[in-house]
Amino acid sequence: EAGVAQSPRYKIIEKRQSVAFWCNPISGHATLYWYQQILGQGPKLLIQFQNNGVVDDSQLPKDRFSAERLKGVDSTLKIQPAKLEDSAVYLCASSPKGLALAKNIQYFGAGTRLSVL
Amino acid sequence: AQSVTQLDSQVPVFEEAPVELRCNYSSSVSVYLFWYVQYPNQGLQLLLKYLSGSTLVKGINGFEAEFNKSQTSFHLRKPSVHISDTAEYFCAVSYAGGTSYGKLTFGQGTILTVHP
Repeated sequence: EAGVAQSPRYKIIEKRQSVAFWCNPISGHATLYWYQQILGQGPKLLIQFQNNGVVDDSQLPKDRFSAERLKGVDSTLKIQPAKLEDSAVYLCASSPKGLALAKNIQYFGAGTRLSVL
Repeated sequence: AQSVTQLDSQVPVFEEAPVELRCNYSSSVSVYLFWYVQYPNQGLQLLLKYLSGSTLVKGINGFEAEFNKSQTSFHLRKPSVHISDTAEYFCAVSYAGGTSYGKLTFGQGTILTVHP
């Protein structure tokens, strides 16, 4: 089966510009996650969707970050305006329904590497 | 709040030597534990997981980990490493229910470098 798809793979922008990332989860996976991975750190959860509803966005900087999940499938994460400290890899992950979700087994995409200059 | 500590940020080792990557977590309730591997410019790949049952868990690529509840540890081991094992390894924990349902908390990662 196809894995989690993310685009673009790399993005370079200047501070105060806006940027958007796209994620297509594994077919049939109801839960979708966006993580931020700063260099030298582990991934940090930004937002979790169950179908097209938000389950947890407690660590999402809502003054500049937004995310949506269209029709419970694809998702976009947007940053506007970007700051230098937003330079990181943004990872998308998905998880199927049922037992696998209960055990928190997540499947990750390759990520988008963002550099803010 | 749950937390994960990976005790070594970098571990250099020679090829065919054994290796142990250490992970400790904080929790007073039941947990699920995971090890992920991240190769350069790639996403995270699940190596192994502890959900319940036997405390010794075997994963892909010859890795194994042992869940020690009394020491709140989940150390990753491999008896003989290969050059291709060079990567960053992340330990992660999730609570088995409650408000943390579906959430993974990651450690800061351990870079394993295998030298010829």
